[in-house]
Parts: sequence; structure tokens; C-alpha cells
Amino acid sequence: DGGITQSPKYLFRKEGQNVTLSCEQNLNHDAMYWYRQDPGQGLRLIYYSQIVNDFQKGDIAEGYSVSREKKESFPLTVTSAQKNPTAFYLCASIGAEGLDYGYTFGSGTRLTVV
Amino acid sequence: DAKTTQPNSMESNEEEPVHLPCNHSTISGTDYIHWYRQLPSQGPEYVIHGLTSNVNNRMASLAIAEDRKSSTLILHRATLRDAAVYYCILSGGNYGGATNKLIFGTGTLLAVQP
Repeated sequence: DGGITQSPKYLFRKEGQNVTLSCEQNLNHDAMYWYRQDPGQGLRLIYYSQIVNDFQKGDIAEGYSVSREKKESFPLTVTSAQKNPTAFYLCASIGAEGLDYGYTFGSGTRLTVV
Repeated sequence: DAKTTQPNSMESNEEEPVHLPCNHSTISGTDYIHWYRQLPSQGPEYVIHGLTSNVNNRMASLAIAEDRKSSTLILHRATLRDAAVYYCILSGGNYGGATNKLIFGTGTLLAVQP
């Protein structure tokens, strides 16, 4: 089945550590996104990529970094510069057929700083 | 970005229709109206979207006011699995690129009673 796979589902980070969240899609979608969701809040855009080897900052990119070396993969690194990283992270993608199907989201990674 | 206003929460009984309202009085002529829903600890799921005309799909119907300043998502027969947070979102233009990013608000929490 086509879809987006995020791993791990739960992640614990010590203060000062960098961690990388994985996002893989087999939908052949060009555009991929990372969102952050805090409790009781909507989603906020961190980074997005429209094509391989290109990506753009979203609304809250500080303390995060991404890469897009392959079409199917868009990993997100939460660096030690991110002061409040505890949140639910969601990866999404959309293809040319977005007119009919909209964004596809992964099931998320819950990151907790310990 | 144009904003939407939704009730914080609504209740429905199982097997009854549900009408979820959304106000978007500052909508521009090119803004599409999108609806997504999110179950607990999962990523959002696309429900429906439209521009001017009412839309139907297998999940729901979208009724758009003639002046486009409001819309209503209609679930024809609510089930317990429809309990979720429903987001009404505007985006400039149709899908087709990362620039048409979705701005998520806090949505409406729908509770379905058996």
C-alpha cells in the first residue's frame, strides 16, 4: 500500500542532543512537508520541499534542519538549538493529483525531551 | 493568510447527520476551502475541498455559501469513527505546489454519542 512512513513513533531526547526523524513516502509525490503540533494546537509548518535537492523554511524553521537527497525521503533533524522540541511531528506529501486527494500525512513522531 | 472560525466543539448522535460550520469572511476569490480531520495521535486525513460549488465525495459533502463567506461540512450519518478534530482551512490557489501551504487552526472537536 502506498503511503508515508514516519519513524520512530516515539522518541526521547536528552537536552543538548540532535535527533533525526525519518519520513519516507512511496507515493511518488514531489512535494513534502514537516509540521509540528503542540497539545491542543493546530499544525505549524517547519520546512517544505517541492523537489529533490531543494527545500524552503516554513514558519518555525529555527532549530531544525532538513535534507532532500532522494524524492522519497525527507528527514528532519531537531538540533540542540531548538529550545522547546517536545511536540508531535507530522510529515506530509502531495503530488500532482492533489486536486483529488489532498495531502497525505504520516502517523507522526512524538518527541519528548528528558 | 485568510483565517477561518470554527466552534471549539460539537456533539452528535450516532447515525444522525452532522453539520460542521466554518466562517471565512475574508476569503479571497482564489482561495479554496479544505477540510481535514485528525483522530487522536494520528496525522490529519483529507476529507474534501472546493472552490464555489457544493462538492460530494464518499466521505462527506461540502456546502459553500453563495457569497463564499461560510461553508458547512456535512457528514450524512455519523459513526463513532467520525469522532475527531475537524479543520476548515483556506489556501490560496489549488493544490499543486509547496507554496499552497495549509494553515491549520485549532478546529472543531466532534464527539459522537452512541
